[in-house]
Amino acid sequence: QVRLVESGGGVVQPGRSLRLSCAASGFTSSNYGMHWVRQAPGKGLEWVAVIKNDGSKTYYADSVTGRFTISRDNSKNTLYLQMNSLRPEDTAVYYCAKDIRQEAADLDQWGQGTLVIVSS
Amino acid sequence: AIQLTQSPSSLSASVGDRVTITCRASQGISNSLAWYQQTPGKAPKLLIYDASTLHSGVPSRFSGSGTGTDFTLTINSLQPEDFATFYCHQFNKFPITFGQGTRLVIK
Repeated sequence: QVRLVESGGGVVQPGRSLRLSCAASGFTSSNYGMHWVRQAPGKGLEWVAVIKNDGSKTYYADSVTGRFTISRDNSKNTLYLQMNSLRPEDTAVYYCAKDIRQEAADLDQWGQGTLVIVSS
Repeated sequence: AIQLTQSPSSLSASVGDRVTITCRASQGISNSLAWYQQTPGKAPKLLIYDASTLHSGVPSRFSGSGTGTDFTLTINSLQPEDFATFYCHQFNKFPITFGQGTRLVIK
């Protein structure tokens, strides 16, 4: 059974950093691309970043380029999102999601999300 | 970035109804489109992938169609558990984008 469990969320001041983790189980994570998607309170879904199955390629939304870094450790079946220079508009539930393919396609499994609040 | 425009933004329907939600892309995306269902407080769930393929375990009353710029999600014979928010999602070009969502409520 596929399981994705996010952690690392919390309350952080503007300008500070936070690192999210997503522990994967129930599948061979090195075979699939992995994404971060976020949802601000009461708003729709916003794609954040994707990393190819082997970690060789990454892509980002314009809103986070230069501030966020997606990475993965396939030996630990764990996905990361390093978030620097956080802004109040980064406040959201952050979901990790498994791609059905190696790079960027449909997202067939999602974690339960971790809430990040950026506030002074 | 490719914009996805869903219509309607909100929809009222009754159990047993048939409903259709559309998603229009600002440029052609072939069949690189998925549909998701989200209920309050929960993560989205994949319904349809590659525009028209039913994801494993999803009831057959859900169907998707379209290619290029115009796509539809159809739900036949609405069930109580179907009332939720639906999102389309394109992965043809970066940045990946989602539609703004369609909220389906009980009439």
